[in-house]
Amino acid sequence: DAEITQSPRHKITETGRQVTLACHQTWNHNNMFWYRQDLGHGLRLIHYSYGVQDTNKGEVSDGYSVSRSNTEDLPLTLESAASSQTSVYFCASSANREGGYTFGSGTRLTVV
Amino acid sequence: GNSVTQMEGPVTLSEEAFLTINCTYTATGYPSLFWYVQYPGEGLQLLLKATKADDKGSNKGFEATYRKETTSFHLEKGSVQVSDSAVYFCALREGTGRRALTFGSGTRLQVQP
Repeated sequence: DAEITQSPRHKITETGRQVTLACHQTWNHNNMFWYRQDLGHGLRLIHYSYGVQDTNKGEVSDGYSVSRSNTEDLPLTLESAASSQTSVYFCASSANREGGYTFGSGTRLTVV
Repeated sequence: GNSVTQMEGPVTLSEEAFLTINCTYTATGYPSLFWYVQYPGEGLQLLLKATKADDKGSNKGFEATYRKETTSFHLEKGSVQVSDSAVYFCALREGTGRRALTFGSGTRLQVQP
């Protein structure tokens, strides 16, 4: 069965370190998205991609970057982790704009 | 810009009670509207959707009607169960081509036996 997987599920890192969160989907979806979930804010869009070599900034993109070298993967990199980036991160994908998203199970990141 | 406003939670109900979670939106175009559900420790799952005015989305006993005149998409269920305890998110996506979802802040539902 097709799926979308995120790794790791939990990570603790130190302030200033570079961290990469993985997202891999086997739906063959063109569109992929990264959100962060914080209490009281719901989900906020970090970056998104409509296809290979395409990346776009969302509303909270500062301190994050993504790259899309193939259809299946959209890794999220925190250039220099900060305590304000402690959050739960969700990856999602979609086939077209009328369909819904498929979400991964999330990565809980703690920056100490 | 686009925005979604949901009623604050938590909403606490007894089993078999009637549920309403309010959702209103602001959008410049003609958005599609969604309800997602998140169970503890899991990602979000699509619950239902509506793509144009007066459409009714329904799934698992939940319903929501796209009301353009009041810019609302309220979630309802006639008889909740303990297993419905979760966080519910209202979301929109513009119909003009942008494909990212804008989410509300979520409403936690707690159903007591």
